[in-house]
Amino acid sequence: GIQVEQSPPDLILQEGANSTLRCNFSDSVNNLQWFHQNPWGQLINLFYIPSGTKQNGRLSATTVATERYSLLYISSSQTTDSGVYFCAGHYKAGTALIFGKGTTLSVSS
Amino acid sequence: DAGITQSPRHKVTETGTPVTLRCHQTENHRYMYWYRQDPGHGLRLIHYSYGVKDTDKGEVSDGYSVSRSKTEDFLLTLESATSSQTSVYFCAISPITYNEQFFGPGTRLTVL
Repeated sequence: GIQVEQSPPDLILQEGANSTLRCNFSDSVNNLQWFHQNPWGQLINLFYIPSGTKQNGRLSATTVATERYSLLYISSSQTTDSGVYFCAGHYKAGTALIFGKGTTLSVSS
Repeated sequence: DAGITQSPRHKVTETGTPVTLRCHQTENHRYMYWYRQDPGHGLRLIHYSYGVKDTDKGEVSDGYSVSRSKTEDFLLTLESATSSQTSVYFCAISPITYNEQFFGPGTRLTVL
């Protein structure tokens, strides 16, 4: 079936710690995106990453499409990193994004 | 940031009343989408548009209609709002299909 699964569901960190979030996706899902939903509810694009590795400041992402997974790395976490991280992909070149259930990150000072 | 605005940002209405949500973009993107976000269900596609006057249904389209008379505007209408339509509604845009989508700030709708 159509699956986008994220782990862990919850993550609690101290400021300054590093973390890795994982997204597994089924064969029919492609063109992964990572989003951050901040505590005010805004969905912020982090990476559009069908394959390969990208970096943006303290964040980086890697997608290994042949093995159906993507990883989001957050280094030196800050309290402003708190929120929910979603990965999402397209199902069979379709229009809708299929979202995972998200990883809720809480960073405390 | 993608130029997407949604209005209103918050709305409280009563069961049975009509409601229209507006999405406005300044990017001239061809594709526009309406999603709803609910606890336990994540984001689900309601309707989308692939051009002016060209729209199609998504996964959860029952009870909703859409219209797009201009490239920059995509309207979502609840003809007769029900409590099950209480949700956060997000508009998204993309330049082509099967590509990166950018989301608006969302509209929180409460139907009493």
